This record gives sequence, structure tokens and C-alpha cells, in this order.
Amino acid sequence: EAGVAQSPRYKIIEKRQSVAFWCNPISGHATLYWYQQILGQGPKLLIQFQNNGVVDDSQLPKDRFSAERLKGVDSTLKIQPAKLEDSAVYLCASSYRVNREQYFGPGTRLTVT
Amino acid sequence: GENVEQHPSTLSVQEGDSAVIKCTYSDSASNYFPWYKQELGKGPQLIIDIRSNVGEKKDQRIAVTLNKTAKHFSLHITETQPEDSAVYFCAAPSFSGGYNKLIFGAGTRLAVHP
Repeated sequence: EAGVAQSPRYKIIEKRQSVAFWCNPISGHATLYWYQQILGQGPKLLIQFQNNGVVDDSQLPKDRFSAERLKGVDSTLKIQPAKLEDSAVYLCASSYRVNREQYFGPGTRLTVT
Repeated sequence: GENVEQHPSTLSVQEGDSAVIKCTYSDSASNYFPWYKQELGKGPQLIIDIRSNVGEKKDQRIAVTLNKTAKHFSLHITETQPEDSAVYFCAAPSFSGGYNKLIFGAGTRLAVHP
């Protein structure tokens, strides 16, 4: 089966600009996750969706980050305005349902200059 | 909340040797422990996981052991090969509002030398 798809793979922007990332989960997976992975660290959960509803966004910096999953399939994560410390890899993952195995996409490497 | 500590941060072995990575967790309610392998430029790949109703699970050259009393779990790789070189992450769930979120360790960079 096809894995989790993400685009773009790389993005370079200047601070205060905006950026958006796209994720298409594995077909049939109801739960979708966005993670931030700073260089040299493990992934940190930003937001978790169950179908098109938010389950957990406690670690999402809501003053600048937003995410949506309008039809319960694809999802977008937006940063506006970006800061230097947002430089990281943004990973999308999906699972068949909550509390099941998570499968990751290849990630988007964001560099903020 | 859950805290996951992973050791060592780097591990260098000769091809054919065994490698062991250890993780400790804090939440006694944790019941699912996955291990991920991340190669350069790729997303983490689930390689093995264990649930709290068993103490050990094997899949060819990799195995995971769980000690719930001591709150630690370990990844064992036998007969290491150069293609095992990667960063390995352990994770454990933190429960909140009926759902869990995975808390990841800081990772172990494994280098297998031919």
C-alpha cells in the first residue's frame, strides 16, 4: 500500500514569511499527526486529528501555527509568521485509529533564515 | 507527563556484533512501546513494537524486551550489518483525555563498521 505522502520535501523562507505543508495519509487511516523534529532530537507532537476533528493540539504554538483536515483525509499545516526557531523537519504520520501503530511520511525540511 | 530517556546517544559497533539500546519511561500506565529507525533524509520507520502484556518480542535479527516493574525497555540488534546504521528512537505513550500521544526519546545514532 502507498505510504504517507508529504510535500514539499524542502522549503527555505525568510523569517516573518508564511509557509504551508501538505500531508496525505495512508488510505483508510482515521488518525493523522503532525510532528516537529528539531535537529538531534526526537519528534514532538504538534497536533493530532481523529477524522476531521482535533484530538490534541496542546503543544501547537497557536499564535503562529495552524492546521486543518477539512474532509478527514488530507491535512495542511501552516506557519505564519515564521521564526528562526521554526527551522526543523515537519513530519506527518497516520494510524488506522487512535492508539494504534503510527506510520510516518518522509517529512518536510524547513529552513528559516 | 511522560518522560522517556534513551541511552546511549551514540553507539559504534563492528559488523556482526550485537547492539543494545535502552529506554526508561515514567508513566506506569504506558502499555505500548514502539521503536523507530530513521535514515538520513527519511521519516522514522516503525521496526518493532511491544505491548505490555508480553515481556519480549522478536523479528528476525531484532528483538525488544520490556520490564514493566523497572519501567524500561530495550532494543536488541544481533549480527549487525552496515545497513543497520541509522538513528533509532524509542517511544512511550502519555495519556490525556482518553487518547495517548507518543513521547519520543532523544535518539541513538548507531554506526556499524564493516
